[in-house]
Amino acid sequence: ETGVTQTPRHLVMGMTNKKSLKCEQHLGHNAMYWYKQSAKKPLELMFVYSLEERVENNSVPSRFSPECPNSSHLFLHLHTLQPEDSALYLCASSLQIGAGETQYFGPGTRLLVL
Amino acid sequence: KNQVEQSPQSLIILEGKNCTLQCNYTVSPFSNLRWYKQDTGRGPVSLTIMTFSENTKSNGRYTATLDADTKQSSLHITASQLSDSASYICVVSVGGSQGNLIFGKGTKLSVKP
Repeated sequence: ETGVTQTPRHLVMGMTNKKSLKCEQHLGHNAMYWYKQSAKKPLELMFVYSLEERVENNSVPSRFSPECPNSSHLFLHLHTLQPEDSALYLCASSLQIGAGETQYFGPGTRLLVL
Repeated sequence: KNQVEQSPQSLIILEGKNCTLQCNYTVSPFSNLRWYKQDTGRGPVSLTIMTFSENTKSNGRYTATLDADTKQSSLHITASQLSDSASYICVVSVGGSQGNLIFGKGTKLSVKP
């Protein structure tokens, strides 16, 4: 295990539902990330948090809303999603932000939007 | 445009055989290159990391090479095992304080008995 956990592991939701993805890291890291992984596409960075402050938002639609209450927890709130949002959502953490830092990934949440 | 291209897209080999995966990149400024292994249903796990000055880095049966002049990297797997079946992702870090990562699409490796 990498020290990063994600719940739930699988999620099916309708386009009118509201749900949240949770990520927790037990590594004492200060930076946390949300990625989207779609079939046959590279990982797409969605959000970056450093010491609970959002430092990057990669033009993500407002139907995705991140929350970082402390350096160990990261949430992704979902509402009025579209079928094309179906993907694997990966959380990662690193000691700090920087090119030399290795990111440790959680197992992901497989999301299906109907 | 910063890009990472991997080949082949998928590969099937027999257990015990060797294989080599390729990664070409156009990333500037370059900071480092990582190979990640992603098992089905799991998140990516880092295998190796190489900086500009490093040509080779090994991790057990995995050996990564880097040619910074041609902007190419390879991952060689020796004496493959069934557990090597996974996607292998090449990731290049952009130099700078944010350390943005450019991901390849990955090579899906299947090792058959």
